Amino acid sequence: QKEVEQDPGPLSVPEGAIVSLNCTYSNSAFQYFMWYRQYSRKGPELLMYTYSSGNKEDGRFTAQVDKSSKYISLFIRDSQPSDSATYLCAMIIYGNNRLAFGKGNQVVVIP
Amino acid sequence: EAGVTQSPTHLIKTRGQQATLRCSPISGHTSVYWYQQALGLGLQFLLWYDEGEERNRGNFPPRFSGRQFPNYSSELNVNALELEDSALYLCASSFGQGDRPYNEQFFGPGTRLTVL
Repeated sequence: QKEVEQDPGPLSVPEGAIVSLNCTYSNSAFQYFMWYRQYSRKGPELLMYTYSSGNKEDGRFTAQVDKSSKYISLFIRDSQPSDSATYLCAMIIYGNNRLAFGKGNQVVVIP
Repeated sequence: EAGVTQSPTHLIKTRGQQATLRCSPISGHTSVYWYQQALGLGLQFLLWYDEGEERNRGNFPPRFSGRQFPNYSSELNVNALELEDSALYLCASSFGQGDRPYNEQFFGPGTRLTVL
């Protein structure tokens, strides 16, 4: 079983729709949870990170962590064509500094 | 402020050759990380250097090695190249561990290595 599972299927949504992405993980030692966005031919950039279970909002983005179920989610409200990118979940154990990534979801927002 | 820079952008090698990839971290960052992003495998952790020392290593064979220089820049060397080494190699940098529980890793644009 991989440490971090993210169904890598592409996702196409119309502009203005809600995008829902999720990952599961097997290692309960993970303490910090991140979502990265990667545009074509660029390196990943951090969107959000969370530590505790619950929701964290930043503008149109909401990150959700459920440590008891080992499940994290990212929601993008009012999606825009500029949100078209690959979204990667990642997690880390404090002091280890090794980011463990999911495989990523390619999201296309259609105008 | 300049971000993480990597060179070269593209590198084409043949099987059995050696590849050297370079990374310059953001000014003030002392930690450098290397990741491999291969098609179908996702981003996988390779190496972490901090203050010139190797701090952690991913599940890769010893022919993947690197070093960090006194100016905190870093080099990744891949010896005896194999076809499956073809991938995007990403470098990231962050502040040193210190007493912070988490330090954001900032990624460069990557070096695309193609092994023929």
